[in-house]
Formats: sequence, C-alpha cells, structure tokens
Amino acid sequence: QIQMQPSGPGLVKPSQTLSLTCAVSGDSVSSNSAAWNWIRQAPSSGLEWLGRTYFQSEWHYEYALSVKSRITINPDTSKKQFSLQLTSVTPEDTAVYYCARGHTWHLGWYFDLWSRGTLVTVSS
Amino acid sequence: QSVLTQPPSVSGAPGQTVTISCTGTSSNIGAIYDAHWYQQLPGKAPTLLIYGNMNRPSGVPDRFSGSKSGTSASLAITGLQAEDEADYYCQSYDNSLSGYVFGTGTKVIVL
Repeated sequence: QIQMQPSGPGLVKPSQTLSLTCAVSGDSVSSNSAAWNWIRQAPSSGLEWLGRTYFQSEWHYEYALSVKSRITINPDTSKKQFSLQLTSVTPEDTAVYYCARGHTWHLGWYFDLWSRGTLVTVSS
Repeated sequence: QSVLTQPPSVSGAPGQTVTISCTGTSSNIGAIYDAHWYQQLPGKAPTLLIYGNMNRPSGVPDRFSGSKSGTSASLAITGLQAEDEADYYCQSYDNSLSGYVFGTGTKVIVL
C-alpha cells in the first residue's frame, strides 16, 4: 500500500525558511509515471499547488509562479523522500501542507494520492 | 487567486441530485486540458473523485459523474447521501500560469 508521510516543524518564524519532508513508501520517487507535489491550504481557504519534481530521463522541477522565487523541491531517492523549502516566509504562508503524487494523464496530470496534512504556522 | 470558479455552496435533500460547476478560461479547461475533481471530507485530506473529466477511480460510487463542455466542467452527485457532505474542488492545468490550478471549492450541504 502506497503511503506518503509529511514531517517538519509546525512553527516557523517570519523571514525564516519553511522546510518539510515527505516520506514515500510503496512507490519510487524516481518512477517514470509519477510526479511528487506539494500543495497547501490556508485556513478556511482553497487548495494551492506549489510545485513538483519528477524523473523522466532526468529530474524536472516546476513551480507555481506565486512562489517561484522562494521555493525549492528536491528528491532524495536514497531516503525515498522529497522535500520542500520555502524561504522568507510571512504569516500568509500559514497553511496546511500536503504532499501528493501526480499521475500522468495525456491532457494534464492529476493527484491520485494525498498525504495527511501538516499544519505550519508562521508566527514570531 | 483561483482561476477556476465554483459556486460557494450547493444543497439538496437525501436522494436528490446536485450539480457543481467549474468555470475556467481558454488557458485551462477551455484549452486542451482535462478537469479533475476531489472530495475533501471535514478535517481530512482531499481524495481523487473524478479524473479526465468523467472517469472514476476504483472505489468511487457511480453516483458521482463528471462532464466537460467548452470552458466549463461539471460534477453531478445523484442519490445524495449524508456522507456526501464535504467540500469539492475541480483542478486543471493552466498554460498561461504554467502550473496546476484548483477551483474555489464548493461545499455540499445535505439538508
């Protein structure tokens, strides 16, 4: 059974870096048919895709324009996980963060497996 | 700043049919990209409900159906049940943003 488990600090100070890790079991982060995504949901708000990494002959990285200057997503195949780093955070980055597997589809990928959410609060 | 617009809420009595619209633009649903739908039960992570406009993953009841026409997609729930009370989100790809976008979300209320 495929599982994804996020982990990381629940509290980050403004201007610092938010770091989360998603452990993947039952699948490989270097699979040719999957992408590894971070998605967040601000309190009482909707879903926002942040970015993804995937392997197709080489590693690819794609980020949402809204966070592109601050975000890095990295795979770690030896540890079967991938990470999220978001720099210079503000209270607007307070949200529940999900890691999700993207499934390839001929007209746009979809997210077929989601982790439980992890709440990250940005506050001094 | 969702680019896919959904009604904030829809409601229906048990056994009735409700429909949720997802209105996009020529950069996403109105282009070549499919719509996908997710159900988010209270306090839980979203789960995939419909992919590729109309396809149900294994385990999703056939009471849930999807369609797409022009710049919009729709999700219908027939034979509404109390357990269907949740938030529903559409999702697609937007080529002007070069990224994946979600709808504003719709709360389904079972009366």
